[in-house]
Amino acid sequence: EAGVAQSPRYKIIEKRQSVAFWCNPISGHATLYWYQQILGQGPKLLIQFQNNGVVDDSQLPKDRFSAERLKGVDSTLKIQPAKLEDSAVYLCASTLMAGNTDTQYFGPGTRLTVL
Amino acid sequence: KQEVTQIPAALSVPEGENLVLNCSFTDSAIYNLQWFRQDPGKGLTSLLLIQSSQREQTSGRLNASLDKSSGRSTLYIAASQPGDSATYLCAVPGGGNKLTFGTGTQLKVEL
Repeated sequence: EAGVAQSPRYKIIEKRQSVAFWCNPISGHATLYWYQQILGQGPKLLIQFQNNGVVDDSQLPKDRFSAERLKGVDSTLKIQPAKLEDSAVYLCASTLMAGNTDTQYFGPGTRLTVL
Repeated sequence: KQEVTQIPAALSVPEGENLVLNCSFTDSAIYNLQWFRQDPGKGLTSLLLIQSSQREQTSGRLNASLDKSSGRSTLYIAASQPGDSATYLCAVPGGGNKLTFGTGTQLKVEL
Protein backbone atom coordinates (compact mmCIF):
# COMPACT_ATOMS: atom_id res chain seq x y z
CA GLU A 1 0.00 0.00 0.00
CA ALA A 2 1.45 3.36 -1.02
CA GLY A 3 1.99 5.84 1.78
CA VAL A 4 1.29 9.55 2.01
CA ALA A 5 3.18 11.41 -0.70
CA GLN A 6 4.41 14.97 -0.43
CA SER A 7 6.27 17.29 -2.77
CA PRO A 8 8.56 19.03 -2.99
CA ARG A 9 10.79 17.58 -0.29
CA TYR A 10 12.80 20.77 0.09
CA LYS A 11 12.15 24.39 -0.80
CA ILE A 12 14.22 27.52 -0.27
CA ILE A 13 12.64 30.92 -0.92
CA GLU A 14 13.16 34.57 -0.08
CA LYS A 15 10.82 36.26 2.39
CA ARG A 16 7.72 37.76 0.81
CA GLN A 17 7.76 35.13 -1.93
CA SER A 18 4.99 32.56 -2.39
CA VAL A 19 5.25 28.80 -2.07
CA ALA A 20 2.93 25.82 -2.43
CA PHE A 21 3.12 22.30 -1.07
CA TRP A 22 1.29 19.25 -2.36
CA CYS A 23 0.02 16.17 -0.54
CA ASN A 24 -1.50 12.95 -1.84
CA PRO A 25 -3.00 10.89 1.01
CA ILE A 26 -3.39 7.14 1.21
CA SER A 27 -6.09 5.98 -1.16
CA GLY A 28 -9.50 5.94 0.47
CA HIS A 29 -8.52 8.08 3.46
CA ALA A 30 -11.24 10.63 4.07
CA THR A 31 -9.42 12.78 6.60
CA LEU A 32 -6.33 14.83 5.83
CA TYR A 33 -4.25 16.98 8.17
CA TRP A 34 -1.51 19.56 7.65
CA TYR A 35 0.96 20.07 10.50
CA GLN A 36 3.78 22.59 10.91
CA GLN A 37 6.92 21.43 12.73
CA ILE A 38 9.39 24.13 13.70
CA LEU A 39 12.90 22.93 14.50
CA GLY A 40 13.13 21.54 18.02
CA GLN A 41 9.34 21.40 18.50
CA GLY A 42 6.60 18.86 18.00
CA PRO A 43 4.25 19.16 15.03
CA LYS A 44 1.33 21.57 15.41
CA LEU A 45 -1.92 21.21 13.52
CA LEU A 46 -2.68 23.84 10.89
CA ILE A 47 -5.81 22.49 9.22
CA GLN A 48 -7.98 19.37 9.05
CA PHE A 49 -10.10 18.28 6.07
CA GLN A 50 -12.87 15.70 5.99
CA ASN A 51 -13.27 14.77 2.32
CA ASN A 52 -13.21 18.17 0.59
CA GLY A 53 -14.55 20.18 3.52
CA VAL A 54 -12.60 22.04 6.21
CA VAL A 55 -13.24 20.66 9.71
CA ASP A 56 -10.83 22.84 11.68
CA ASP A 57 -8.62 25.69 10.50
CA SER A 58 -8.51 27.59 13.78
CA GLN A 59 -4.70 27.39 13.94
CA LEU A 60 -4.12 28.42 10.32
CA PRO A 61 -2.73 31.98 9.91
CA LYS A 62 -5.31 32.90 7.32
CA ASP A 63 -3.73 36.22 6.43
CA ARG A 64 -0.95 34.34 4.63
CA PHE A 65 -1.76 30.62 4.62
CA SER A 66 -4.42 28.91 2.55
CA ALA A 67 -5.24 25.29 1.86
CA GLU A 68 -7.64 23.38 -0.29
CA ARG A 69 -8.60 19.81 -0.99
CA LEU A 70 -10.48 19.79 -4.23
CA LYS A 71 -12.31 16.55 -5.05
CA GLY A 72 -11.51 15.27 -1.57
CA VAL A 73 -8.21 13.63 -2.53
CA ASP A 74 -5.04 15.70 -3.06
CA SER A 75 -4.42 18.81 -1.04
CA THR A 76 -2.30 21.91 -1.47
CA LEU A 77 -1.04 24.28 1.22
CA LYS A 78 0.06 27.75 0.14
CA ILE A 79 1.94 30.54 1.88
CA GLN A 80 1.75 34.02 0.44
CA PRO A 81 3.78 36.02 1.36
CA ALA A 82 6.27 33.94 3.35
CA LYS A 83 7.96 35.22 6.52
CA LEU A 84 11.19 34.10 8.15
CA GLU A 85 9.24 32.40 10.96
CA ASP A 86 7.52 30.13 8.42
CA SER A 87 10.75 28.12 8.12
CA ALA A 88 9.68 24.66 9.22
CA VAL A 89 8.82 21.16 8.06
CA TYR A 90 5.27 20.88 6.76
CA LEU A 91 3.82 17.43 7.36
CA CYS A 92 0.74 15.96 5.78
CA ALA A 93 -1.11 13.09 7.43
CA SER A 94 -4.16 11.08 6.55
CA THR A 95 -6.49 8.68 8.27
CA LEU A 96 -9.40 6.56 7.17
CA MET A 97 -11.91 8.54 9.18
CA ALA A 98 -11.64 11.06 12.01
CA GLY A 99 -12.30 8.69 14.86
CA ASN A 100 -10.07 9.18 17.87
CA THR A 101 -8.74 5.65 17.63
CA ASP A 102 -7.68 5.87 14.01
CA THR A 103 -3.94 5.84 13.34
CA GLN A 104 -2.61 8.80 11.41
CA TYR A 105 -0.15 8.07 8.62
CA PHE A 106 2.41 10.77 7.91
CA GLY A 107 4.20 11.75 4.75
CA PRO A 108 7.95 12.56 4.64
CA GLY A 109 7.30 16.28 4.92
CA THR A 110 8.43 19.37 3.01
CA ARG A 111 11.28 21.31 4.58
CA LEU A 112 10.83 25.03 3.91
CA THR A 113 13.63 27.53 4.44
CA VAL A 114 12.76 31.22 4.18
CA LEU A 115 15.76 33.52 3.76
CA LYS B 1 -6.05 23.23 26.45
CA GLN B 2 -4.02 20.03 26.33
CA GLU B 3 -0.29 20.39 26.85
CA VAL B 4 2.17 17.56 26.32
CA THR B 5 5.68 17.55 27.77
CA GLN B 6 8.54 15.15 27.16
CA ILE B 7 11.67 14.65 29.19
CA PRO B 8 14.53 14.39 28.67
CA ALA B 9 14.89 16.53 25.56
CA ALA B 10 17.97 14.58 24.54
CA LEU B 11 19.53 11.33 25.64
CA SER B 12 22.73 9.54 24.72
CA VAL B 13 23.30 5.94 25.81
CA PRO B 14 25.72 3.13 24.97
CA GLU B 15 24.48 0.25 22.87
CA GLY B 16 22.71 -2.48 24.81
CA GLU B 17 21.37 -0.25 27.56
CA ASN B 18 17.72 -0.26 28.54
CA LEU B 19 16.14 3.18 28.61
CA VAL B 20 12.94 5.02 29.47
CA LEU B 21 11.42 8.04 27.76
CA ASN B 22 8.81 10.07 29.59
CA CYS B 23 5.68 11.87 28.41
CA SER B 24 3.22 13.85 30.51
CA PHE B 25 -0.08 15.48 29.58
CA THR B 26 -2.27 17.97 31.41
CA ASP B 27 -5.78 16.79 30.48
CA SER B 28 -6.37 13.19 31.52
CA ALA B 29 -9.58 12.87 29.46
CA ILE B 30 -7.83 11.24 26.53
CA TYR B 31 -8.97 8.51 24.13
CA ASN B 32 -5.49 7.13 23.60
CA LEU B 33 -1.82 8.05 23.50
CA GLN B 34 0.49 7.41 20.61
CA TRP B 35 4.27 7.16 20.37
CA PHE B 36 5.99 8.09 17.11
CA ARG B 37 9.51 7.86 15.80
CA GLN B 38 10.99 10.55 13.55
CA ASP B 39 14.22 10.04 11.63
CA PRO B 40 16.13 13.07 10.28
CA GLY B 41 14.54 14.39 7.12
CA LYS B 42 11.67 11.94 7.31
CA GLY B 43 8.10 11.88 8.46
CA LEU B 44 6.67 10.25 11.54
CA THR B 45 6.29 6.53 11.98
CA SER B 46 3.73 5.27 14.47
CA LEU B 47 5.30 2.89 17.01
CA LEU B 48 2.59 2.17 19.55
CA LEU B 49 -0.94 3.33 20.27
CA ILE B 50 -2.33 2.74 23.76
CA GLN B 51 -6.07 3.00 24.22
CA SER B 52 -7.31 4.80 27.32
CA SER B 53 -8.58 1.49 28.73
CA GLN B 54 -5.16 -0.14 28.42
CA ARG B 55 -2.21 0.06 30.78
CA GLU B 56 0.50 -1.26 28.47
CA GLN B 57 1.24 -1.98 24.83
CA THR B 58 4.21 -3.94 23.54
CA SER B 59 5.89 -4.26 20.16
CA GLY B 60 9.17 -6.11 19.99
CA ARG B 61 11.71 -4.34 22.20
CA LEU B 62 9.32 -1.46 22.84
CA ASN B 63 6.90 -1.25 25.73
CA ALA B 64 4.65 1.72 26.36
CA SER B 65 2.68 2.26 29.54
CA LEU B 66 -0.13 4.67 30.29
CA ASP B 67 -1.33 6.09 33.61
CA LYS B 68 -4.24 8.38 32.83
CA SER B 69 -4.86 9.43 36.41
CA SER B 70 -1.37 10.84 36.78
CA GLY B 71 -1.19 12.10 33.19
CA ARG B 72 1.90 10.10 32.32
CA SER B 73 3.18 7.64 29.76
CA THR B 74 6.55 5.97 29.41
CA LEU B 75 8.24 4.32 26.47
CA TYR B 76 10.66 1.60 27.46
CA ILE B 77 13.28 0.48 24.94
CA ALA B 78 15.10 -2.72 25.78
CA ALA B 79 18.63 -3.56 24.64
CA SER B 80 19.05 -0.36 22.64
CA GLN B 81 20.76 -0.45 19.24
CA PRO B 82 22.35 2.26 17.08
CA GLY B 83 19.39 1.90 14.71
CA ASP B 84 17.14 3.16 17.50
CA SER B 85 18.73 6.61 17.20
CA ALA B 86 15.93 9.01 16.29
CA THR B 87 13.55 11.53 17.83
CA TYR B 88 10.67 10.01 19.75
CA LEU B 89 7.41 11.93 20.02
CA CYS B 90 4.30 11.24 22.04
CA ALA B 91 0.90 12.61 21.05
CA VAL B 92 -2.68 12.63 22.32
CA PRO B 93 -5.78 13.23 20.19
CA GLY B 94 -8.39 15.90 20.72
CA GLY B 95 -11.71 16.17 18.93
CA GLY B 96 -11.58 14.96 15.34
CA ASN B 97 -8.40 13.04 16.12
CA LYS B 98 -6.33 16.23 15.98
CA LEU B 99 -3.05 15.32 17.63
CA THR B 100 -1.25 17.41 20.25
CA PHE B 101 2.43 16.49 20.27
CA GLY B 102 5.17 16.77 22.82
CA THR B 103 8.47 18.40 21.89
CA GLY B 104 10.21 15.04 21.55
CA THR B 105 13.22 13.24 22.97
CA GLN B 106 16.25 13.03 20.70
CA LEU B 107 17.90 9.66 21.31
CA LYS B 108 21.42 8.69 20.29
CA VAL B 109 22.62 5.14 20.83
CA GLU B 110 26.37 4.89 20.55
CA LEU B 111 28.50 1.89 19.65
